[in-house]
Amino acid sequence: NAGVTQTPKFRVLKTGQSMTLLCAQDMNHEYMYWYRQDPGMGLRLIHYSVGEGTTAKGEVPDGYNVSRLKKQNFLLGLESAAPSQTSVYFCASSYGRGPSYEQYFGPGTRLTVT
Amino acid sequence: GQQLNQSPQSMFIQEGEDVSMNCTSSSIFNTWLWYKQDPGEGPVLLIALYKAGELTSNGRLTAQFGITRKDSFLNISASIPSDVGIYFCAGTYSGGGADGLTFGKGTHLIIQP
Repeated sequence: NAGVTQTPKFRVLKTGQSMTLLCAQDMNHEYMYWYRQDPGMGLRLIHYSVGEGTTAKGEVPDGYNVSRLKKQNFLLGLESAAPSQTSVYFCASSYGRGPSYEQYFGPGTRLTVT
Repeated sequence: GQQLNQSPQSMFIQEGEDVSMNCTSSSIFNTWLWYKQDPGEGPVLLIALYKAGELTSNGRLTAQFGITRKDSFLNISASIPSDVGIYFCAGTYSGGGADGLTFGKGTHLIIQP
């Protein structure tokens, strides 16, 4: 049981390049989330999904797109990377809302945009 | 969006001391969660609280959901070196548009030798 895994762990991009971050969970969770973590800012929600085939915007969605084609996977895309997107990205998953709201996090992807 | 005020920002303590940190909000929260993050790792859930007044323990950790539903605290008793890290409060609030958690900015716990 691997929990939540993220690929890759590190990445360096040049401004304008694109990339996709992959998140996978093996806990059969319905909900999945993408957060970014910046120094002194805590974690901020980018996009989330409440089930296969669904996505919704979070607090800071601009410049990112997501897809949830399979229940166990949640992809985060950057179409044209900018230096402001330099951050550590975390994926999380949960069963749902209410008493099942506890979110479990992956190990993170450290992205640098030059 | 809604903000959580977490304090203190950092704590420098001696091994064996007790630790107390808290989170406050101007809005009513429905859920309070406490996470710990080690360097280079993702946050790990420590304690989850779902009812006002709820007091929950996990080993040397104790957390409470404030009666007003606008605050929560986390206590660590008899700190040990592996307690070093960043502690985050997080929660969901009434009227929140997204299903994600709102996070505080974290409390850095540093244990001095």
